Amino acid sequence: QQQVKQSPQSLIVQKGGISIINCAYENTAFDYFPWYQQFPGKGPALLIAIRPDVSEKKEGRFTISFNKSAKQFSLHIMDSQPGDSATYFCAASIEAGNQFYFGTGTSLTVIP
Amino acid sequence: ETGVTQSPTHLIKTRGQQVTLRCSSQSGHNTVSWYQQALGQGPQFIFQYYREEENGRGNFPPRFSGLQFPNYSSELNVNALELDDSALYLCASSIRDYTDTQYFGPGTRLTVL
Repeated sequence: QQQVKQSPQSLIVQKGGISIINCAYENTAFDYFPWYQQFPGKGPALLIAIRPDVSEKKEGRFTISFNKSAKQFSLHIMDSQPGDSATYFCAASIEAGNQFYFGTGTSLTVIP
Repeated sequence: ETGVTQSPTHLIKTRGQQVTLRCSSQSGHNTVSWYQQALGQGPQFIFQYYREEENGRGNFPPRFSGLQFPNYSSELNVNALELDDSALYLCASSIRDYTDTQYFGPGTRLTVL
């Protein structure tokens, strides 16, 4: 059973546009929700993370929106750039240092 | 501060063989987690080590085993390799007693023929 469901599987956005990736979870015990960026042949790198006590967190061009009642969270990439082209994974865990449950990933392509 | 390192980068084995993968955790981190990432999929949790003891395990058979050493580095051992074991193996380090995230290494690409 997939603990974290991620959509879309792939996304194509024009340079300067907004990229939006969505995730949903079932386990209400999850209290830490990170987003990772992964380039081909590399390990995942932390982009931004949120805890359920806030509804939104912004770091530069990256924003997480969190809806606790709907058990959903999303990543917004503003002013998308070709260098943002990568695979993005959402994840969830019970405490940040514990087992991560990852989504299936979204392949983002930003067209110049 | 050094990041998480893994060795080797790539490895080719044949079915039935055994393999050992290595991970050096980020400086100051006392917890290591191992994940398996099949092509086109998200990482799947294998197990976690804290203070040299296994501290949580995912849905992987006993032929996947590990070790953590006093310097917090870690090994992942896989016995009786199967074709489906072909994947990118990632280790991630963190500080167990702190609400910090996990930092991933670059991974070891294992191919089983």
